[in-house]
Amino acid sequence: AAGVIQSPRHLIKEKRETATLKCYPIPRHDTVYWYQQGPGQDPQFLISFYEKMQSDKGSIPDRFSAQQFSDYHSELNMSSLELGDSALYFCASSSPGQGDEKLFFGSGTQLSVL
Amino acid sequence: AQTVTQSQPEMSVQEAETVTLSCTYDTSESNYYLFWYKQPPSRQMILVIRQEAYKQQNATENRFSVNFQKAAKSFSLKISDSQLGDTAMYFCAFMISDSNYQLIWGAGTKLIIKP
Repeated sequence: AAGVIQSPRHLIKEKRETATLKCYPIPRHDTVYWYQQGPGQDPQFLISFYEKMQSDKGSIPDRFSAQQFSDYHSELNMSSLELGDSALYFCASSSPGQGDEKLFFGSGTQLSVL
Repeated sequence: AQTVTQSQPEMSVQEAETVTLSCTYDTSESNYYLFWYKQPPSRQMILVIRQEAYKQQNATENRFSVNFQKAAKSFSLKISDSQLGDTAMYFCAFMISDSNYQLIWGAGTKLIIKP
């Protein structure tokens, strides 16, 4: 079965650089979520999109932005990177309201800021 | 505000034993979902089991089952016949129905299965 695809798997950036993370949801899933997980921590919700519109916003820094495109894939854009942005970034997708309220996660993008 | 508490930071058991991971939550909502996710060393986040709050029957998935006590707001995970591949962080998570469908996470329990 198709899963959530994230790219790249690993990303190394310098401070103050920018990064773009991509997420391709499971086909027919209309909702995408972004989470940030620091070492030894539980995932922190950043932002979500439903039908290409932002549906909720969590602890996402102003330096970050995201969008969902017409094909439902999503991109998380991160600018002016800081050392503290080093984390595992998960994308998840779901199709809520269809009686299947489950989030399926991608393998994550490990971002290292040097 | 909703909170999820996992009181066991780390547990270890011998292979083939049964282990129970605890999770309690706090909410004033009546319609919600509860989940257990597994995160092995690969850091992939894998859905283990899901429970709808309106269902009294405890969810089961092969060797994994839950003990859902709605009045006590408790949602424990039982792993039977534990295997080395069960070694992982286990996160309990909560989602309100008809809301933003965000997951609210517990801090996780590190489970080690010893050979």
